[in-house]
Amino acid sequence: DIQMTQSPSSLSASVGDRVTITCRASQGISNWLAWYQQKPEKAPKSLIFAATSLQSGVPSRFSGSASGTDFTLTISSLQPEDFATYYCQQYNSYPLTFGGGTKVEIK
Amino acid sequence: QLQLQESGPGLVKPSETLSLTCTVSGGSISSSGYYWGWVRQPPGKGLEWIGSIYYSGSTYYNPSLKSRVTISADMSKNQFSLKLSSVTAADTAVYYCAKREYGRSFEYWGQGTLVTVSS
Repeated sequence: DIQMTQSPSSLSASVGDRVTITCRASQGISNWLAWYQQKPEKAPKSLIFAATSLQSGVPSRFSGSASGTDFTLTISSLQPEDFATYYCQQYNSYPLTFGGGTKVEIK
Repeated sequence: QLQLQESGPGLVKPSETLSLTCTVSGGSISSSGYYWGWVRQPPGKGLEWIGSIYYSGSTYYNPSLKSRVTISADMSKNQFSLKLSSVTAADTAVYYCAKREYGRSFEYWGQGTLVTVSS
């Protein structure tokens, strides 16, 4: 199985901050990586697919980048509605696997 | 607008079989290029992929659950289903059904349904 190691597991930030979350794959996954946002008691919401492609309707302050087996989700200017938990997921090979999550909290 | 809705018992006894159905509206599960999957989330924990069924009927399972999982589809009802046998308390989770297009993420999700395993 491909392990997805996400960091940090949590972070505190203020509105307007630039936030970066990292996900490292245990082996190559090409760019078959997705990022999701999950708010309490809600289903995950897809933000990014294919490592860098923004899902339709997602604000442009969200972006994804890739370098080898390292992937990054960046929120350029954190908004109040962005406080949530974020997950990465690889879909290069089965079993599909998720990172452990990053909880973004209000500082 | 595609919508997915999970249904099934919220309480299952240990050693019994968990059965859930996902009803899809606003689109056909037989449309080419789509995977229909199940993802679960134990209370307070992360996401775990259980398995998927491709529009062609091919199935893919998480090896950690493979011996206990069956995913099937009923095209006539536009539904797909999950059966998980020999459940234990560790199977207590919110179960989500979701749709993924080839090369893309799980774009559409059901609202999730909590299944508790307890006697």
